[in-house]
Amino acid sequence: DSGVTQTPKHLITATGQRVTLRCSPRSGDLSVYWYQQSLDQGLQFLIHYYNGEERAKGNILERFSAQQFPDLHSELNLSSLELGDSALYFCASSVATSGSTDTQYFGPGTRLTVL
Amino acid sequence: ILNVEQSPQSLHVQEGDSTNFTCSFPSSNFYALHWYRWETAKSPEALFVMTLNGDEKKKGRISATLNTKEGYSYLYIKGSQPEDSATYLCAPYSGAGSYQLTFGKGTKLSVIP
Repeated sequence: DSGVTQTPKHLITATGQRVTLRCSPRSGDLSVYWYQQSLDQGLQFLIHYYNGEERAKGNILERFSAQQFPDLHSELNLSSLELGDSALYFCASSVATSGSTDTQYFGPGTRLTVL
Repeated sequence: ILNVEQSPQSLHVQEGDSTNFTCSFPSSNFYALHWYRWETAKSPEALFVMTLNGDEKKKGRISATLNTKEGYSYLYIKGSQPEDSATYLCAPYSGAGSYQLTFGKGTKLSVIP
């Protein structure tokens, strides 16, 4: 158990809908990262927040947005969902900001299925 | 976006065999290389962080080496056990305008009892 929690574990929804994925980092970690893992793809970095501020953006679609709240939990919002958004979404946390040697601790993931 | 290549894509070995696989990454703007182990139905877990050319790290039967000048790292598993079955991911950390880990697609190892 990494100490990172994600809810829900599974989510099934329809095209065009909007969903929110939630992540609570390990106690004391200020950084939260979101990743997407689709079939046949590696872990794709989406976005990084540090202490409430956006620090880096990866291959995140405009239909997706995220935020980190004062209690450091983070939410990833996915809207106008398409079939291709079906994937495993991971949240990871680390103690500091963009440190090259910071270990990222991964949550259990949310499996999103768009029908 | 960094080009990270891992080979082979998958590997089947017999219990007791030793094995190794490769991670290739751009050698410019190198800061660190992370190795993760990802078991099926679980989440990725950190194995090593390596920063210096010639670095060698070891954790039990698993070890890794790093060559930053030529842009590659090897992961070795000595005497593979069924519990070593997992996907092994490498992720270089590059400061080339985007301070983040870029994960390779991984090497999926299956150890046959």
